[in-house]
Amino acid sequence: DTEVTQTPKHLVMGMTNKKSLKCEQHMGHRAMYWYKQKAKKPPELMFVYSYEKLSINESVPSRFSPECPNSSLLNLHLHALQPEDSALYLCASSQVSFDKNTGELFFGEGSRLTVL
Amino acid sequence: DQQVKQNSPSLSVQEGRISILNCDYTNSMFDYFLWYKKYPAEGPTFLISISSIKDKNEDGRFTVFLNKSAKHLSLHIVPSQPGDSAVYFCAASDTNAGKSTFGDGTTLTVKP
Repeated sequence: DTEVTQTPKHLVMGMTNKKSLKCEQHMGHRAMYWYKQKAKKPPELMFVYSYEKLSINESVPSRFSPECPNSSLLNLHLHALQPEDSALYLCASSQVSFDKNTGELFFGEGSRLTVL
Repeated sequence: DQQVKQNSPSLSVQEGRISILNCDYTNSMFDYFLWYKKYPAEGPTFLISISSIKDKNEDGRFTVFLNKSAKHLSLHIVPSQPGDSAVYFCAASDTNAGKSTFGDGTTLTVKP
């Protein structure tokens, strides 16, 4: 199993809603990542979890709250988002911890978020 | 300050010819470089990588060249096939920091 699975594939939410994006991998990878990608732009790193602990937070607003319940799961909780937060949210994993990672990431298909 | 740049937003080549995608970087701390390929409605998939201690890495039809003095890398695809049509992202890693920085991407179209 070499997949990173993300749900839902599409999400539409209002600015007062609370929703969550989910990510799962069963490759035994020890680091998991959230990236945000706007149209025609590169993926931008948001969070890194290494051995289930938050290792990197790239100054992401608190309306985005990550959670890593176990080594296979990564969630992104969304609350009080703004329309400009509409984007493709990509989850990725890597085989070793982030500080030993040579960079190869395994990405999911992404969750397309629209904030109305 | 964009540390990884792909100056060509798009590239069109004929099937069977060579495709050359270019990438420039500014951060001398980058020590590992990767290319990812992305089809519409899918996440990026890893294609090929190169360590900063090498200047060339080859995998089938794909070859990546690294010129450290010029802070430049390129991906060569030969021969190009229509199925290679996708967006190609260059990424550079600072392995000490454990972060990858992506370029803006180049859309490759291979015409039959």
